[in-house]
Amino acid sequence: RKEVEQDPGPFNVPEGATVAFNCTYSNSASQSFFWYRQDCRKEPKLLMSVYSSGNEDGRFTAQLNRASQYISLLIRDSKLSDSATYLCVDTNAGKSTFGDGTTLTVKP
Amino acid sequence: EAQVTQNPRYLITVTGKKLTVTCSQNMNHEYMSWYRQDPGLGLRQIYYSMNVEVTDKGDVPEGYKVSRKEKRNFPLILESPSPNQTSLYFCASSFRGEYNEQFFGPGTRLTVL
Repeated sequence: RKEVEQDPGPFNVPEGATVAFNCTYSNSASQSFFWYRQDCRKEPKLLMSVYSSGNEDGRFTAQLNRASQYISLLIRDSKLSDSATYLCVDTNAGKSTFGDGTTLTVKP
Repeated sequence: EAQVTQNPRYLITVTGKKLTVTCSQNMNHEYMSWYRQDPGLGLRQIYYSMNVEVTDKGDVPEGYKVSRKEKRNFPLILESPSPNQTSLYFCASSFRGEYNEQFFGPGTRLTVL
């Protein structure tokens, strides 16, 4: 079993849709979690940090559930520009483990 | 401009010919890390460094070496490259590593023939 598993993609949604991605992790000692966005094999860029209390940034909401060991990303009112691959990562004492990524395509 | 730079950006080489990919950051970050990314896969960590002279293995360290003699530089060395090391490589840095965002370099596309 992979240490970090993401929803298999691809997700194809119309503009304006709400889409949710989940990511499960196996290391209960993991301390911090992030969502990154990657466009066409360019460098990943931080989308959001994930806090236990949940956090929101505009149309994006991230949640962490330590009991069930998963994190989620919710995107509301999808835009064409949201089309990308989304990577979750957990970090523990310097070791970072990324999921394989979930590809989102938003269509007009 | 705050950034992570990698050189070269593209490299085609032959099996067994030693090569070094350089990585440099100008943000005074303590933490640096190397990843490789293969088609259909996420990033896999090769090595990371929590500070100068401190390096640790990630998930896929075989065939790679690193050094951290200065805070800003973290070169990746392939002593004897093999075709299975053909990949897209990313260097990243962050302030402390544990709770901080990682900033990535633009990537190095390596092909080993």
